[in-house]
Amino acid sequence: QVQLVESGGGVVQPGRSLRLSCAVSGFTFSSYAMHWVRQAPGKGLEWVAIISYDGSKKHYADSVRGRFSISRDNSKNTLYLQMNSLSAEDTAVYYCVKEETLHDYSGDLDFWGQGTLVTVSS
Amino acid sequence: VLTQSPDFQSVAPKEQVTITCRASQSIGRSLHWYQQKPDQSPKLLIKYGSQSFSGVPSRFSGSGSGTEFTLTINSLEVEDAATYYCHETATLPQTFGQGTKVEIK
Repeated sequence: QVQLVESGGGVVQPGRSLRLSCAVSGFTFSSYAMHWVRQAPGKGLEWVAIISYDGSKKHYADSVRGRFSISRDNSKNTLYLQMNSLSAEDTAVYYCVKEETLHDYSGDLDFWGQGTLVTVSS
Repeated sequence: VLTQSPDFQSVAPKEQVTITCRASQSIGRSLHWYQQKPDQSPKLLIKYGSQSFSGVPSRFSGSGSGTEFTLTINSLEVEDAATYYCHETATLPQTFGQGTKVEIK
């Protein structure tokens, strides 16, 4: 079955960096676009970034563009989110999410990981 | 920008729930609905306005296109207590609605 397991969350000081990972299994990772979506405590969902199945296309939310970088290693079935210059506003649960349709880009999201909590605090 | 209404709804079991999602510009049918129960990850319910995702109970249905979309839950069950989000994929960056919390009376 499809599994998406995020890791790398924790407490980090403002201005510092953190890298999240998402290990996937149960599907052909290299054939699907992947997303990061976040949710601040007690708040709604916020879309963060997308990467195409082959890594050739990437897009970001305005709130993270220039600070965050999405990448993937298809040989390791792993998705990444490099987060730099973190601020308190980045405190959230970060979800790794799979697109439903093969080779699609910017479609519906059919499987979500359990999320990893990032807390930015001094 | 996606705007959901209402923000909160308290409904008795077996009644019908209707949630609206309005887009600030036409997005065709690139609108999807998710359910998130407390302390759980979101789950896909409806894709492209009206297509049910595999395994979703038939009491959930979606309609609409362009700028106005509706999620309907027929004969509400206790297990449907959750927050529901719409999500558009016609533009980048993508956006989610602010969410509608459904409480069981």
